[in-house]
Amino acid sequence: EVQLVESGGGLIQPGGSLRLSCAASGFTVSDNYMSWVRQAPGKGLEWVSVIYSGGRTYYADSVKGRFTISRDNSKNTLYLQMNSLRAEDTAVYYCARDVTYFDYWGQGTLVTVSS
Amino acid sequence: SSELTQDPAVSVALGQTVRITCQGDSLRTYYASWYQQKPGQAPVLVIYGKNNRPSGIPDRFSGSSSGNTASLTITGAQAEDEADYYCNSRDSTGNHLRVFGGGTKLTVL
Repeated sequence: EVQLVESGGGLIQPGGSLRLSCAASGFTVSDNYMSWVRQAPGKGLEWVSVIYSGGRTYYADSVKGRFTISRDNSKNTLYLQMNSLRAEDTAVYYCARDVTYFDYWGQGTLVTVSS
Repeated sequence: SSELTQDPAVSVALGQTVRITCQGDSLRTYYASWYQQKPGQAPVLVIYGKNNRPSGIPDRFSGSSSGNTASLTITGAQAEDEADYYCNSRDSTGNHLRVFGGGTKLTVL
């Protein structure tokens, strides 16, 4: 059974850093494309970043230069390192398997950026 | 602003048919995928590719595409179909970025 479990969210001050994790089971993260998608409170879905099986990474303009997607093959886990956080980064962050569409999603982890 | 455009809200009478549309230049090249999201829950894939449904998605959900417009059709809408629906595809400026539509709130009357 495929399962994605995010963790690492919380309350962080503007300008701070946070690392989100997404532990996968039932498939191998490094054999797949994996994306992060976020949803601000009361708003729609926003794609954030993707890492390809070969390791190439891509980012939405809104996070480029501040966020870094990575993975640990030994732990079968996807990460999102978020630096220079802003109030507008407040959202539920989902990881999803990306097979040109998102077929499996985690339950999400809430990141709140506030002083 | 989103490169995929959806109507913010649509309503349908119970048992009737409703079409939710998604417009964008990238849809001339790439298929859209569609997601259902209920309050407090993660999105669920309902349609992908030309017109494919994941296991467990009722056959009243179908997808189509023409030109720059993709459509999600629910034939015989049920009360449990009331949800937000999002389309997704690649962005129009490059092959690697993804983009979501702004979402459509479906109300079943």
